[in-house]
Amino acid sequence: DTGVSQNPRHKITKRGQNVTFRCDPISEHNRLYWYRQTLGQGPEFLTYFQNEAQLEKSRLLSDRFSAERPKGSFSTLEIQRTEQGDSAMYLCASSLQGPGGAFFGQGTRLTVV
Amino acid sequence: AQTVTQSQPEMSVQEAETVTLSCTYDTSESDYYLFWYKQPPSRQMILVIRQEAYKQQNATENRFSVNFQKAAKSFSLKISDSQLGDAAMYFCAYRAPRGDDKIIFGKGTRLHILP
Repeated sequence: DTGVSQNPRHKITKRGQNVTFRCDPISEHNRLYWYRQTLGQGPEFLTYFQNEAQLEKSRLLSDRFSAERPKGSFSTLEIQRTEQGDSAMYLCASSLQGPGGAFFGQGTRLTVV
Repeated sequence: AQTVTQSQPEMSVQEAETVTLSCTYDTSESDYYLFWYKQPPSRQMILVIRQEAYKQQNATENRFSVNFQKAAKSFSLKISDSQLGDAAMYFCAYRAPRGDDKIIFGKGTRLHILP
């Protein structure tokens, strides 16, 4: 296992279009997280999963954002009707439940034009 | 709600010197986990060091060590013998042990290493 993998690495889209990102976690990890990060800021929590169950979705997240982890393995994050304010780095991380930290992927950089 | 605060947006240190990055947090939990993450420019976030709140001994990983003051809710990172490769954003993070156990990050400290 080579770690957390995110695809695509970069995405440029026109305002109003839908985009979908994929995250493949470390295989034995039951926790999967999505974060958003803008330049010079810390990761902002979006949502997380325990296996296929979505445990929490940030109240800051609009209804245009949805995430799934259908079989408890990979996850997708979809943004509908993208806006310029959605431009950011979207980070995925995975972990085991417990004291260990999470391991991050390289992120997907979204640019909305 | 738990919060993590890093009050130093940027810091600089001379190569080979020691630097300490500050972090405070707020929680009503007695047991939790704390982490420091490093994010080099345009690169992946990596875990540097972690501390379990029930352990009194401060964690150490090679040149990286923490000063964990539970009563003060303080968790600082000390980098000894700073190297050019230590230049990065450093994020302090908190995680509860159960229940609402998402990882919460501070806003980060950008560390510059001066040759």
